[in-house]
Parts: sequence; C-alpha cells; structure tokens
Amino acid sequence: DTEVTQTPKHLVMGMTNKKSLKCEQHMGHRAMYWYKQKAKKPPELMFVYSYEKLSINESVPSRFSPECPNSSLLNLHLHALQPEDSALYLCASSQVQLADSYEQYFGPGTRLTVT
Amino acid sequence: DQQVKQNSPSLSVQEGRISILNCDYTNSMFDYFLWYKKYPAEGPTFLISISSIKDKNEDGRFTVFLNKSAKHLSLHIVPSQPGDSAVYFCAATYGGSQGNLIFGKGTKLSVKP
Repeated sequence: DTEVTQTPKHLVMGMTNKKSLKCEQHMGHRAMYWYKQKAKKPPELMFVYSYEKLSINESVPSRFSPECPNSSLLNLHLHALQPEDSALYLCASSQVQLADSYEQYFGPGTRLTVT
Repeated sequence: DQQVKQNSPSLSVQEGRISILNCDYTNSMFDYFLWYKKYPAEGPTFLISISSIKDKNEDGRFTVFLNKSAKHLSLHIVPSQPGDSAVYFCAATYGGSQGNLIFGKGTKLSVKP
C-alpha cells in the first residue's frame, strides 16, 4: 500500500474562518511533509515532521499551524488566511532518510480557495 | 535562485518514439535525484530515482541518466505512450536535508497517437 490520503479534496473558506486539512498514511513512514503548489509552479516545502516532531518550518506564516497527532496522521490548521494562500496543498510521507531512500509519496492534494 | 532547472516547459512526441526530458542543477551538495509525474488535480507520483554514485538507473520503460560533471540528468521514456502525457518534475535532495526536495518547474509532455 503506497497510498497517502488527504481530506477534503476541495475547500472554500473565508478569511475569518478556521479549517483543517487532514492527511493519513499507513506505510509505516515516520517522516511526513506539507507542500504548497500554486498553478504552473513546482511544489514548495512548508513543514517536515520526523518521528512526530517538527523538524523543518520553511518560514511559513503563523496562520498555518501543523500538527502530527501520531505517526500516521498529519494535520494543517488554517486560520485568517489571505486570498493569496489559495493553492493546492500536498501531503507526502517517506521513510526517515536512509542512505539510499529519499522517495516521498504524495497524496492527491486539497484544492484550497480563500475568498 | 533556481537550484533545479527544467528549461523546456513542454515537449511533444509521437506515440512509440522516445521522450527525453532534461534537468540541470546547480547545487553540488545534491546527491539524490528523483522524477515525478503529475496529472492535473492529482498529487505527484514517484517514477524513478538515482543516487549520485550511479550514472544510470532503469525501470521498465523509464531510464534516468546522471552526468555529475555537467550537473545534468535526463529521463528517457521508451516507447512513449499516450498515457504518459503529464507534467514531469525533476527533484533533488541531499543527505542531511531532512527530506527537503527541491523541484524544477516541470515539463509538460504530450504524447500524440
């Protein structure tokens, strides 16, 4: 099973709303990632969790708040977003880096629109 | 400053022929390279990877070549099929980066029947 699932598939929210994106994997991976992808651009790393601890925060605004409740789940809590935050949000997972394995497996993404 | 560059935004190939997608990188620390395929409204799908200790890796119709001295890699798809039509991203990383994949901007491949 190489599947990473993400919910919801689509989300429309106002700038005053609070919402959460969810990601789940059952591959036994202990590293999980959030990426943001704007149209016609490559994915950009936001956060990395390794063994359920935040290891990388790529200078992401505090209106994005990640959470890793256990080794299979990753959440992204959203609050007071701006219209420019509209994008495809991708979750990925991988083994914690081994000498010969850096492959990350991506979910289908959540298409977020901020109005 | 783009560390991973895919200079061809698009490529059109006839079914059955070879597709060659190119990627250049600037950071000498990169020691692992990956190719992903992405359909619209879906997440990237891992295709094939190569470590810097190798110069070639093959998996079925897909072969990745790495030229470290030129800081260049390429993905060959033989034979190309219409289902291969997608955006292909090259990505690079290095040990100690904690999984920070740096992606190129992608090349849109169209395989025509």
